[in-house]
Amino acid sequence: AQSVAQPEDQVNVAEGNPLTVKCTYSVSGNPYLFWYVQYPNRGLQFLLKYITGDNLVKGSYGFEAEFNKSQTSFHLKKPSALVSDSALYFCAVRDSTDSWGKLQFGAGTQVVVTP
Amino acid sequence: GAGVSQSPSNKVTEKGKDVELRCDPISGHTALYWYRQSLGQGLEFLIYFQGNSAPDKSGLPSDRFSAERTGGSVSTLTIQRTQQEDSAVYLCASSPPYNEQFFGPGTRLTVL
Repeated sequence: AQSVAQPEDQVNVAEGNPLTVKCTYSVSGNPYLFWYVQYPNRGLQFLLKYITGDNLVKGSYGFEAEFNKSQTSFHLKKPSALVSDSALYFCAVRDSTDSWGKLQFGAGTQVVVTP
Repeated sequence: GAGVSQSPSNKVTEKGKDVELRCDPISGHTALYWYRQSLGQGLEFLIYFQGNSAPDKSGLPSDRFSAERTGGSVSTLTIQRTQQEDSAVYLCASSPPYNEQFFGPGTRLTVL
């Protein structure tokens, strides 16, 4: 079974400060990891993914995430947050042995960036 | 190019009625997924289709829920005898081989 934990329901950060959204996972095989963002009344938008290779993954809108196998984590980061980054962020995992399978999502973290 | 589209965007129905939700995936994507997003429940997998293989129905919450995918493209999620707890946003996603899923805007279902 696979699972994802996003320990923070909400993250508050001032504009211009670094933003981190935490994610830990559990899978039986190797993980495929994803971050998605959801703006109000919109579907999910893909930000970035880790499949294999470099542990530091760069994605859309200046976001990046670091895969840490020993800590089973895949935290999302942005060096300088913008007010427009305020949204709901989801971490998701899929077991590499099930390439066509469903994503297991975390509960989501609401990011609030204040001017 | 065109993304995943879903219709209707909003659906209000009365308890006990049947509803059909439609998903048009991105052309060429062989995998199609349905998820449900409820307040307090997060994102919940419902069903997925991969090519001509039998669908994975393991996430369907009851036998009132069913889905089909015609011609490997358009999919319809049907909920029979709707209940108030079915109220949620229903999200569809499609995916090319070994890649991330692309989501549609969702259908907001309200059961009165």
